Amino acid sequence: EAQVTQNPRYLITVTGKKLTVTCSQNMNHEYMSWYRQDPGLGLRQIYYSMNVEVTDKGDVPEGYKVSRKEKRNFPLILESPSPNQTSLYFCASSDRVNYGYTFGSGTRLTVV
Amino acid sequence: KQEVTQIPAALSVPEGENLVLNCSFTDSAIYNLQWFRQDPGKGLTSLLLIQSSQREQTSGRLNASLDKSSGRSTLYIAASQPGDSATYLCAVKAGTALIFGKGTTLSVSS
Repeated sequence: EAQVTQNPRYLITVTGKKLTVTCSQNMNHEYMSWYRQDPGLGLRQIYYSMNVEVTDKGDVPEGYKVSRKEKRNFPLILESPSPNQTSLYFCASSDRVNYGYTFGSGTRLTVV
Repeated sequence: KQEVTQIPAALSVPEGENLVLNCSFTDSAIYNLQWFRQDPGKGLTSLLLIQSSQREQTSGRLNASLDKSSGRSTLYIAASQPGDSATYLCAVKAGTALIFGKGTTLSVSS
């Protein structure tokens, strides 16, 4: 089944403890993105990647890092999480710039 | 900067009613427009994708239209059912990002 898989689905962590949210797609898509969803603010792009080793900042990149060493994987790294990074995170992928996006099931992160 | 607005923010209808959800965007330079459905606390399910050169797309009881020149799209849902209750999100692909509206939360009562 064609899909975008995120792990974990739920995570509670403490301020400052480094964490990684994994994202993997099995569709050989070139484009991958991370979004966060917050009440009243909607979905906002954190980082995106147009291909292996090509990444760039979205609208809200502060406090996040990404890497794209393989086409299928696009992990989101929080080096020192803070409570304002408590949010619902989505990974998404697309085959071409004008193709639709497929989203993962989301990761609900709580930083205390 | 591209902005996407969805009206209304919430909508309640009785089962069986036909309804229209609205989406507007400020910059017509888009690759495509995508409608998604989101159930509470869940992921986004793609409903329809309209390329910038297209006027409409249909899937079952859903029909989406696009008027790029006026910056508008509508999602028409025919014969609504309680299972249609969810938040509907409109997103335009502009540059390297999907720009989302804040959604319309639909409640269909039986």
